[in-house]
Amino acid sequence: EPEVTQTPSHQVTQMGQEVILRCVPISNHLYFYWYRQILGQKVEFLVSFYNNEISEKSEIFDDQFSVERPDGSNFTLKIRSTKLEDSAMYFCASSEAGQGIQPQHFGDGTRLSIL
Amino acid sequence: RKEVEQDPGPFNVPEGATVAFNCTYSNSASQSFFWYRQDCRKEPKLLMSVYSSGNEDGRFTAQLNRASQYISLLIRDSKLSDSATYLCVVTRTTGNQFYFGTGTSLTVIP
Repeated sequence: EPEVTQTPSHQVTQMGQEVILRCVPISNHLYFYWYRQILGQKVEFLVSFYNNEISEKSEIFDDQFSVERPDGSNFTLKIRSTKLEDSAMYFCASSEAGQGIQPQHFGDGTRLSIL
Repeated sequence: RKEVEQDPGPFNVPEGATVAFNCTYSNSASQSFFWYRQDCRKEPKLLMSVYSSGNEDGRFTAQLNRASQYISLLIRDSKLSDSATYLCVVTRTTGNQFYFGTGTSLTVIP
């Protein structure tokens, strides 16, 4: 069964540094997403991406964050000037269709620890 | 008011028991509904979509009540492997994002 893959599985970074989280969505999917889950809290939406542009973003996704699809397979989340409160599990997801109609398939996540 | 609300539990049930979870949503224009399960420190995995007429997948039955704005999940003949957190997910008619509940924790005891 095709799956979403994410790298690295765990990233430890000093506060103030930049991190790039990588994702390879399912190949025939057109919509891509990033979510985060702070330990003990619910999964929160960050951003959705379609046709090489952001289609929706949450209040969390401020100027500190950016997304990119640098080639035909990868989808990245960049976090600049990381803060302690950015420590969380970051999940990438993809779906065949948008508008929340189709299920989203999640990768196994990147655990980001900011020191 | 929260977009999606769930009883966090925990629910501790013996093997073979039947257990039901409810979830309420605040936006009457919500469009699609799903149940995901999440094992400890793992990714959410799709359990089932929830259709207006209700649907069943093996031991799992999902129901939607639009008038009362809640969805339910029934698990029959609980297995040890059903132990997980069950996440209620709702979408709106506009936008792509999933709105997650905080999840309901289930532990099935031998």
